[in-house]
Amino acid sequence: DGGITQSPKYLFRKEGQNVTLSCEQNLNHDAMYWYRQDPGQGLRLIYYSQIVNDFQKGDIAEGYSVSREKKESFPLTVTSAQKNPTAFYLCASSPLAGAVGSPLHFGNGTRLTVT
Amino acid sequence: DAKTTQPPSMDCAEGRAANLPCNHSTISGNEYVYWYRQIHSQGPQYIIHGLKNNETNEMASLIITEDRKSSTLILPHATLRDTAVYYCIVRVAGGGSNYKLTFGKGTLLTVNP
Repeated sequence: DGGITQSPKYLFRKEGQNVTLSCEQNLNHDAMYWYRQDPGQGLRLIYYSQIVNDFQKGDIAEGYSVSREKKESFPLTVTSAQKNPTAFYLCASSPLAGAVGSPLHFGNGTRLTVT
Repeated sequence: DAKTTQPPSMDCAEGRAANLPCNHSTISGNEYVYWYRQIHSQGPQYIIHGLKNNETNEMASLIITEDRKSSTLILPHATLRDTAVYYCIVRVAGGGSNYKLTFGKGTLLTVNP
């Protein structure tokens, strides 16, 4: 079955360490996205990418970095500069950025805890 | 993107229809209404979307008022597995930054036995 795979499901890190969250999709989608969700809150966009080797900042990009070297992969690095990294991170993809009827498909998330 | 307003929570009896409202009074003519839901600790799941006309698929029906300022998501026969947070989003279908979907807090629907 096609879908989006995020790994690992749970991740624990010490403060001051960088950590990379994996996101892989086999849906042949052009666009990919990273969202952050805090308890009781909606989703906030961190970064998005419409094509390979190109990406744009979302609403809360500070302290995060991404790369898009392959169409199917969009890893997110949470750097030590991110003040409050503990959160639920969601990756999503869509067939064509902005096209009608192209809803987002989400992975099942990575819960990051930094102590 | 236009903002949306949803009630924070709703209850529904199992087997009955669940009607989830959404206000989007500032919606523009080229903005679509999308509904997603999120079961606890999982990623959001797409349900349905529409522009002007009512829409139906295997999961739900979407009723959009004639002035497009509000809509209702209908789950015709709610089950316990439908307990989730439901998000109503409006956005333009187009390229570039139009994909900055904004998810509010949504409506927590609790289906009771």
